Formats: sequence, structure tokens, C-alpha cells
Amino acid sequence: GQNIDQPTEMTATEGAIVQINCTYQTSGFNGLFWYQQHAGEAPTFLSYNVLDGLEEKGRFSSFLSRSKGYSYLLLKELQMKDSASYLCAVRAYQTGANNLFFGTGTRLTVIP
Amino acid sequence: KAGVTQTPRYLIKTRGQQVTLSCSPISGHRSVSWYQQTPGQGLQFLFEYFSETQRNKGNFPGRFSGRQFSNSRSEMNVSTLELGDSALYLCASSLDRGTGVSYEQYFGPGTRLTVT
Repeated sequence: GQNIDQPTEMTATEGAIVQINCTYQTSGFNGLFWYQQHAGEAPTFLSYNVLDGLEEKGRFSSFLSRSKGYSYLLLKELQMKDSASYLCAVRAYQTGANNLFFGTGTRLTVIP
Repeated sequence: KAGVTQTPRYLIKTRGQQVTLSCSPISGHRSVSWYQQTPGQGLQFLFEYFSETQRNKGNFPGRFSGRQFSNSRSEMNVSTLELGDSALYLCASSLDRGTGVSYEQYFGPGTRLTVT
């Protein structure tokens, strides 16, 4: 099976930097995704890592270490609109197909 | 390009009934996955369809089933509804070409099912 862990809740200040961690254990690892989900809305894609290292996309960066089963999402220059749940999802190639397994999400609250 | 659409958006059913939910993927996307989202369990994978075939299935009882049509539109069905089936059901499509290469999934707005 899959075991994906991320903190349940985090709070950070507008303009600051926050790092959301995700650890996983899975067989057939084939990539890690981060999604953002605002309350009452569908998840939207933020980033994708399949090789070790840092992927930067504007204010958001994502890091992956496959050997450690670890990833983090870094949000810079936080804005109030960044208050949302952030979902870590691991893609695993098992039984002849790719499947996406989600963590329970980290609810980030940005305060003024 | 239109996004993933799901119908209906909201649904109220009573225990024992059955329900069918529909999903239209982004044009050109052949992979459609279904997820159940509840506050306690988060997003849980139900099944994935690719080219009209169920390619993988999560750990849900047989009351949950689905299918995919030749135009990639997909439906999922839940029979003999239970109170615990109340959830947001999300459909996601991707450009997956079946080569094992990963592509991001694009989610629809979901169907909020309430079972009373």
C-alpha cells in the first residue's frame, strides 16, 4: 500500500515563506504532484517532480528526494489567497497502470 | 479549451437508492479517474478508465462501478446507497497516452452527493 504523510494544519503570515512537507512510502514510484484546493473547489495542479531536486514555478517551488521518500512545497511571498489545502499526491506504477494516491492535505491559513 | 465537466453538481438520495454520476473529460484526454473526497479520509481513488477499459481500481466495494464510452466520457454508479457514501465525487482527466509517462490530472468541480 501507500503511506503519505503531511501536516494537518499550518499558519503563516502574509509576505512570509512557508514550507509544507510530505513523506511517502510506496512501491513503483513514478512521480509526485502537489495540488492546491480552495474550500468548496476542485484541486488544481501546482507542480510535478519525478527526479530529485528543486522545481521552481513563480512563487511556488517543489523539492523531491526519492531516496528519502520526501518532498516539500515552498510558498514565497505569501498572499491571503494562498489560504487553501495543499495536497501531496504520489503516482505509483502498480499492476500495469499508474495510479495517484493522495495525502489528507495540509490546510494553510495565511494571516495578515 | 473547456475543462472537465461533471453532472449533476449536487444530488440528494436516500439510503438504498442508486445513483449515476457523469464526467466529460477535456477534449483529447483519454484517461478518466474517479475519486471520493470526505473530510475524514481525504481524496481516495475509486477507479481509472482508459480507452473504455477499467485500468485500475481502488479499494471500494463492488457497489461502486463505472464505465467509459468511446468519446471518453465516463459514468460512475453507486448502488444500494449508504449514509457513508455522502461525499464529494471528483472526476479527473489526463493526457495519459498509456505509455507509463505521468501527466498531471485536471479535476472537474465534483458532484456533492448527500445520502439521507
